[in-house]
Amino acid sequence: AQSVTQLDSQVPVFEEAPVELRCNYSSSVSVYLFWYVQYPNQGLQLLLKYLSGSTLVKGINGFEAEFNKSQTSFHLRKPSVHISDTAEYFCAVRQGNTPLVFGKGTRLSVIA
Amino acid sequence: GAVVSQHPSRVICKSGTSVKIECRSLDFQATTMFWYRQFPKQSLMLMATSNEGSKATYEQGVEKDKFLINHASLTLSTLTVTSAHPEDSSFYICSAGQGAQATEAFFGQGTRLTVV
Repeated sequence: AQSVTQLDSQVPVFEEAPVELRCNYSSSVSVYLFWYVQYPNQGLQLLLKYLSGSTLVKGINGFEAEFNKSQTSFHLRKPSVHISDTAEYFCAVRQGNTPLVFGKGTRLSVIA
Repeated sequence: GAVVSQHPSRVICKSGTSVKIECRSLDFQATTMFWYRQFPKQSLMLMATSNEGSKATYEQGVEKDKFLINHASLTLSTLTVTSAHPEDSSFYICSAGQGAQATEAFFGQGTRLTVV
């Protein structure tokens, strides 16, 4: 069975500083990996996804993530955060057409 | 990208009544829709997988008689919370895949249900 671990429940960071949100997954087969962002009382918006090919994936809002198969990781990064990036971030994994399995989420708080 | 519309965004109901939540794929046909429940400050927990024209598949621990799911068309799935109680208060989110082999799921805006 697949599982996703987001190592940090909360990450505070100052505006314009870089940030990394960590995500590790467990699966013995090939998977698809996703990062979603959720603003208060809203649904999820896809930031980026890894399906195959290049291990460095660029998404919206300046975010990127790197797939590392040997470390089973898919960490999310942004070189310079803004106040508007304050939100909950979810890492998710999917195998084939199975439902997404989500991590517990990381709350990113950007401090002015 | 594809659009999934969920309605209503907020609903308050009395204990013992039923509430219906709709999830529509606006610009694509969704053969499969997923229903999730999210408790405050927690992750999304899959409740059930809904396939058009067939019965939904519920996750372990989810009461199928309490959470009725209907997927009558390729663009609409509904979740009905029957005889709601305060402990059913939660944030419910649907998602839809674009096609049978979709690699990406698109999410609705979510429904905040409060049972008083």
